[in-house]
Amino acid sequence: NAGVTQTPKFQVLKTGQSMTLQCAQDMNHNSMYWYRQDPGMGLRLIYYSASEGTTDKGEVPNGYNVSRLNKREFSLRLESAAPSQTSVYFCASSEGFRDAQYFGPGTRLLVL
Amino acid sequence: EDQVTQSPEALRLQEGESSSLNCSYTVSGLRGLFWYRQDPGKGPEFLFTLYSAGEEKEKERLKATLTKKESFLHITAPKPEDSATYLCAVTETGTASKLTFGTGTRLQVTL
Repeated sequence: NAGVTQTPKFQVLKTGQSMTLQCAQDMNHNSMYWYRQDPGMGLRLIYYSASEGTTDKGEVPNGYNVSRLNKREFSLRLESAAPSQTSVYFCASSEGFRDAQYFGPGTRLLVL
Repeated sequence: EDQVTQSPEALRLQEGESSSLNCSYTVSGLRGLFWYRQDPGKGPEFLFTLYSAGEEKEKERLKATLTKKESFLHITAPKPEDSATYLCAVTETGTASKLTFGTGTRLQVTL
């Protein structure tokens, strides 16, 4: 089992460019999540999908959109990147709400 | 608003020197408390889940405990490979599964 995989591993964007971060899990989990991690601020939830076909905003959703493509895949899109979106992005999945979340290796994004 | 505070921010131990990391939380109703380990450049790795006061979980040199207001991660006779950042997170009852994370404790274990 690969667990949670994310692509790309690293990306540099110019302000105003768009991109999509991809996430896939092979654990047959129902719920998936996108977080960002910034120095001194801890991990913050951007969006989550409780189950296939549903998505909801987290703590910091502005500037992002998500798509739950199927049970395995959950993508995060930046429509017009800003320097404030420079961060490390983690995707996670869990079987259900009470269960532990398992994280991918992260995508490091630099917006110039 | 939910708050998770971890202390100390950084801890340096010698190999074999036991210690504890603290995670204090303020939520209206605790659904679960989670401990993760994060190595540099990697994603958080799940360690433990605790659901109710008095609960304890153990894994190798690590033991997590939970009270009504805080959790401790006890590290017994640590080794250099235990060096990492340890993250604590909580979920609250009555909400969707939103993990609120602390900022972590950076642990360094030296020979």
